[in-house]
Amino acid sequence: DGGITQSPKYLFRKEGQNVTLSCEQNLNHDAMYWYRQDPGQGLRLIYYSQIVNDFQKGDIAEGYSVSREKKESFPLTVTSAQKNPTAFYLCASSASIGNQPQHFGDGTRLSIL
Amino acid sequence: KQEVTQIPAALSVPEGENLVLNCSFTDSAIYNLQWFRQDPGKGLTSLLLIQSSQREQTSGRLNASLDKSSGRSTLYIAASQPGDSATYLCAVPESGNTPLVFGKGTRLSVIA
Repeated sequence: DGGITQSPKYLFRKEGQNVTLSCEQNLNHDAMYWYRQDPGQGLRLIYYSQIVNDFQKGDIAEGYSVSREKKESFPLTVTSAQKNPTAFYLCASSASIGNQPQHFGDGTRLSIL
Repeated sequence: KQEVTQIPAALSVPEGENLVLNCSFTDSAIYNLQWFRQDPGKGLTSLLLIQSSQREQTSGRLNASLDKSSGRSTLYIAASQPGDSATYLCAVPESGNTPLVFGKGTRLSVIA
């Protein structure tokens, strides 16, 4: 079945450590997104990409980095500069930006050791 | 800047009841509006997408309406079931063909 796969499901970060969250899609979608969700909050956009080798900052990009070297893959790195990284991270994709239904992965829950 | 508000934040109803969830947005120049469902600890599932030229969309027991001029959408759930218990979120593009801005959601509990 086509869909979005996020891994790992749970991730723990030590102080000063960078960690990378994986997101892979086989829907042949051009656009991909990373969101952060905190308890009782809606989703906040971290980064998005409209096409391979292109990406844009969202509302809360500080302390995060991304790459889009392949259409299927959009990994997110949470750097040590992100001082409050504990959250639920969701990856999504759509055929194009804005005007198509978004499909979501099952998320990665990141915690600090 | 587009802002999306959902009221109420939480709702508890007995099984079988019809219910309405509300979504409002500040900038009415939207291309579309999407409703999503989120189960605990899971990602979002797209329920309905209403284009700006449409007034409503239906899928099974779900009906979503859109009133652009007033900046409002409603999600109507008929004959609610315990399996409908989840958080429901609405979202609109920031402007034009841009990423979505999400509301904080309404947490629905349907009691058997």
